[in-house]
Amino acid sequence: EAQVTQNPRYLITVTGKKLTVTCSQNMNHEYMSWYRQDPGLGLRQIYYSMNVEVTDKGDVPEGYKVSRKEKRNFPLILESPSPNQTSLYFCASSFGGLRNEQFFGPGTRLTVL
Amino acid sequence: GENVEQHPSTLSVQEGDSAVIKCTYSDSASNYFPWYKQELGKGPQLIIDIRSNVGEKKDQRIAVTLNKTAKHFSLHITETQPEDSAVYFCAATNADGLTFGKGTHLIIQP
Repeated sequence: EAQVTQNPRYLITVTGKKLTVTCSQNMNHEYMSWYRQDPGLGLRQIYYSMNVEVTDKGDVPEGYKVSRKEKRNFPLILESPSPNQTSLYFCASSFGGLRNEQFFGPGTRLTVL
Repeated sequence: GENVEQHPSTLSVQEGDSAVIKCTYSDSASNYFPWYKQELGKGPQLIIDIRSNVGEKKDQRIAVTLNKTAKHFSLHITETQPEDSAVYFCAATNADGLTFGKGTHLIIQP
């Protein structure tokens, strides 16, 4: 089944404790991205990757890091999480970039205490 | 950058009636306009999209219209059913990226 998977689905952590949210897709898509969804703000892009070893900032990159060492994986790293990073996070992938259908993962709900 | 405004934020319609959600965008260079449906506890899923060289597109009960001059586009759902209840997001793509509207919570009343 073609899909985007994320782990963990739910995470409660404390301020300053490094964490990684994994994202994997099995559709051989070049383009992958991370979004955060907050009430009343819609979806905002954090980082994106056009292909392996190519990453770039989205609209809200502060406090996040990413890496793209393999085509299928695009982990999101929070080196020192803060409460304002409490949010619902979505990974997405597509063939050919933003002018084609984005396939979203199921989401990761993160709470930073 | 691009700015996408979406209205209304909540829409309640009777089952069987039509629903219309409207979006405006600011960058005349935007040329791809997708609509996503998000059900509770799931990620958004594309339901229909339109490119700037087309004025209207239909897929069964769903249609999207685009007015490039006025810089607005709309989602039309006819004969609404309970499974249409969800949050709907419009979006616009320009050279800088994909910008989403803030979403419309569509409620289908039985």
